[in-house]
Amino acid sequence: SQQGEEDPQALSIQEGENATMNCSYKTSINNLQWYRQNSGRGLVHLILIRSNEREKHSGRLRVTLDTSKKSSSLLITASRAADTASYFCATIEVGTYKYIFGTGTRLKVLA
Amino acid sequence: DVKVTQSSRYLVKRTGEKVFLECVQDMDHENMFWYRQDPGLGLRLIYFSYDVKMKEKGDIPEGYSVSREKKERFSLILESASTNQTSMYLCASSRAQETQYFGPGTRLLVL
Repeated sequence: SQQGEEDPQALSIQEGENATMNCSYKTSINNLQWYRQNSGRGLVHLILIRSNEREKHSGRLRVTLDTSKKSSSLLITASRAADTASYFCATIEVGTYKYIFGTGTRLKVLA
Repeated sequence: DVKVTQSSRYLVKRTGEKVFLECVQDMDHENMFWYRQDPGLGLRLIYFSYDVKMKEKGDIPEGYSVSREKKERFSLILESASTNQTSMYLCASSRAQETQYFGPGTRLLVL
């Protein structure tokens, strides 16, 4: 799998349900970031979690980071139709400027 | 409010043409990036710049060049456009290894 690979590739849920997306990476990192992309648009930053943090919250978003397993998860609680988008995780290898994005999870929230 | 702008949302060019994609950020960020995004391949880094007149090749620099004469502006140049360069091009900027801010994207079609 590539650095920053998301799982699942696609997810379809009903409005009000929770959505969980996972990300795996390969190298040592300083931080891991989650982004959202609405169809045909640029990416929007959601949350950044540093390598010394295990969990972070922002509104309806909860991100966890397990550096021993080189994995992260993004939980969106009480999803809304407006959450329909693709979600990407991005990592930066220690000592570099290069962000590495996965191929993303396409989330569809049905009203 | 932070802002990254790209010169065109949509662009249609002919094979062999020289194409310029412009990106401007107003956040005084040192780092700027050009990605291309294709279905199933995620975001792939073409070039990035960590300072004025400095540039580094990303994962897929072939067929592209860049220019950064001023801190706020990062240009991507397709020296001789080919049909396999039809794609969505995304510009981003960041400070150090922090959050990336993306422009709205340029959808380029090469005929």
